Amino acid sequence: QQQVKQSPQSLIVQKGGIPIINCAYENTAFDYFPWYQQFPGKGPALLIAIRPDVSEKKEGRFTISFNKSAKQFSLHIMDSQPGDSATYFCAALPSGGSYIPTFGRGTSLIVHP
Amino acid sequence: DTGVSQDPRHKITKRGQNVTFRCDPISEHNRLYWYRQTLGQGPEFLTYFQNEAQLEKSRLLSDRFSAERPKGSFSTLEIQRTEQGDSAMYLCASTKPGNTIYFGEGSWLTVV
Repeated sequence: QQQVKQSPQSLIVQKGGIPIINCAYENTAFDYFPWYQQFPGKGPALLIAIRPDVSEKKEGRFTISFNKSAKQFSLHIMDSQPGDSATYFCAALPSGGSYIPTFGRGTSLIVHP
Repeated sequence: DTGVSQDPRHKITKRGQNVTFRCDPISEHNRLYWYRQTLGQGPEFLTYFQNEAQLEKSRLLSDRFSAERPKGSFSTLEIQRTEQGDSAMYLCASTKPGNTIYFGEGSWLTVV
């Protein structure tokens, strides 16, 4: 059972484009939603995170949009650059209790120069 | 703050051998996680410690896997009688309550 569904599996954009990665969750106990960026051979690194009390959060060129009623959230990368080429994972976890993240399957992003 | 440290970074072993990975979390992080990641997949939860107590284990953690965190600091993950299906990257992460979860660089295991 996949608790966090992520799409698309891969994404190719031109430099300056705005790739959008979508995630949906099922467990209503989840109330913290981080996005991680992973380069080949490296561990995931936290990019940006959101709690469901807000519908949008921006940090630099990265924006999370959150729809609590639909149990969906998405990552937008503004003015994408070739250096953004990486795999992106969404995650969801309860902020209390075990605090164990459940990850989506990842989106491989390629930004062409 | 030196980050989460994992050792070794790469391990090639023959099927049937035992392997052990070590994780040193960020100091003062009382929570420590082990995840497994295969190519093209997201990290899959294996087990979780709060201080020295192992509080949760995934069904993915078969009898051949054992994890310890004896003094609530570093942790080890041992895989006995390795199988080819164990080939993956094993990720360690740590945090303290209300804080960001930080991942290490991972330990790559190849079973031949």
